[in-house]
Amino acid sequence: DVKVTQSSRYLVKRTGEKVFLECVQDMDHENMFWYRQDPGLGLRLIYFSYDVKMKEKGDIPEGYSVSREKKERFSLILESASTNQTSMYLCASTPGGRLHEQYFGPGTRLTVT
Amino acid sequence: EDKVVQSPLSLVVHEGDTVTLNCSYEVTNFRSLLWYKQEKKAPTFLFMLTSSGIEKKSGRLSSILDKKELFSILNITATQTGDSAVYLCAVSAGGTSYGKLTFGQGTILTVHP
Repeated sequence: DVKVTQSSRYLVKRTGEKVFLECVQDMDHENMFWYRQDPGLGLRLIYFSYDVKMKEKGDIPEGYSVSREKKERFSLILESASTNQTSMYLCASTPGGRLHEQYFGPGTRLTVT
Repeated sequence: EDKVVQSPLSLVVHEGDTVTLNCSYEVTNFRSLLWYKQEKKAPTFLFMLTSSGIEKKSGRLSSILDKKELFSILNITATQTGDSAVYLCAVSAGGTSYGKLTFGQGTILTVHP
């Protein structure tokens, strides 16, 4: 079974802090994604990556950056957290050529106060 | 801009009822439509539809795609309390959007005993 893990289930940070959300997958998937999920808005894509050191902006990249130094790990960085970044963050991975089959991690619920 | 709209946003039924969830989309370079079920944590994959008019079925769940009218429905018959979840519809596109999924807002289904 594919396993996608995220570093924290719950996180509370203060406005202005730098926040790192980590995602690790164990199935050698080429593609990894970061989404945020908000009530009434569904899942929105922040960034994705097709390969190590590659990244592509999703629909809402502002205020975020990402890092993919190793194939299994995809990090989401909030350079200076703001209250409007309070959300559920979901990481996903897919094998190459099967981009529709997204395997999701359990999510990190981030609260910025 | 790609767009996916689900309806209704929420639905409350009793065990044994049949429900129909709707998903309409506007996507350039459509490749496939996917349904996910999300309980307390990560979304889990239900169906992928690429061809119009072909029903996909898994137990009490079934789904069909109409590429001419740009919509899909997810049917659940003889609902059970374990069907209570958020149901997400997503569309994958090709071209410059290859690999991205655009999600709808989700339908919250509550099944009462």
